[in-house]
Amino acid sequence: DVKVTQSSRYLVKRTGEKVFLECVQDMDHENMFWYRQDPGLGLRLIYFSYDVKMKEKGDIPEGYSVSREKKERFSLILESASTNQTSMYLCASSGVQGQETQYFGPGTRLLVL
Amino acid sequence: QKEVEQNSGPLSVPEGAIASLNCTYSDRGSQSFFWYRQYSGKSPELIMFIYSNGDKEDGRFTAQLNKASQYVSLLIRDSQPSDSATYLCAGRHGNKLVFGAGTILRVKS
Repeated sequence: DVKVTQSSRYLVKRTGEKVFLECVQDMDHENMFWYRQDPGLGLRLIYFSYDVKMKEKGDIPEGYSVSREKKERFSLILESASTNQTSMYLCASSGVQGQETQYFGPGTRLLVL
Repeated sequence: QKEVEQNSGPLSVPEGAIASLNCTYSDRGSQSFFWYRQYSGKSPELIMFIYSNGDKEDGRFTAQLNKASQYVSLLIRDSQPSDSATYLCAGRHGNKLVFGAGTILRVKS
């Protein structure tokens, strides 16, 4: 069964803190994605990775960085959290072309105070 | 900017009726489209995908794709209160999916 897990379901951080969100998939997928979801704005792509140590910017990368040291793990880093980064963060993974259905993790709801 | 547009709703239908959810897209290069269902507070889950023009059926769900009109739809037959959720349409662009903002569906018993 397909499984994508995220390190936390709920997280509360203070402005200026460094925040790590971790995602792990057990499907041996090449592609991994980080989205944020806000009411009325839908899913917006932050970063994605198509291979270990490879990354590409999505639509809203400002204020975020990512790390993919192992195929199954993709981390999202907020270098200095700000209140406008309060959001639901969703990780997803997919196989190579032809198997490109994205499977989502349960999400992390981040509140930055 | 590649865009996928959906009416935000809410779309309200009575139990047992057919719910019709629509989506338009701007990227003529998109070859495959996906419908996800998202319950409040949960992550999106895949309902079905479609690659070819025409209809694709899976149980109570039918996806329709019209590439000439750049239009994708999802029909839900015999709608149930448990179908009440937000439905996300997405089109593939390279390795990425471009998502619409979603349509809220409410099925009234």
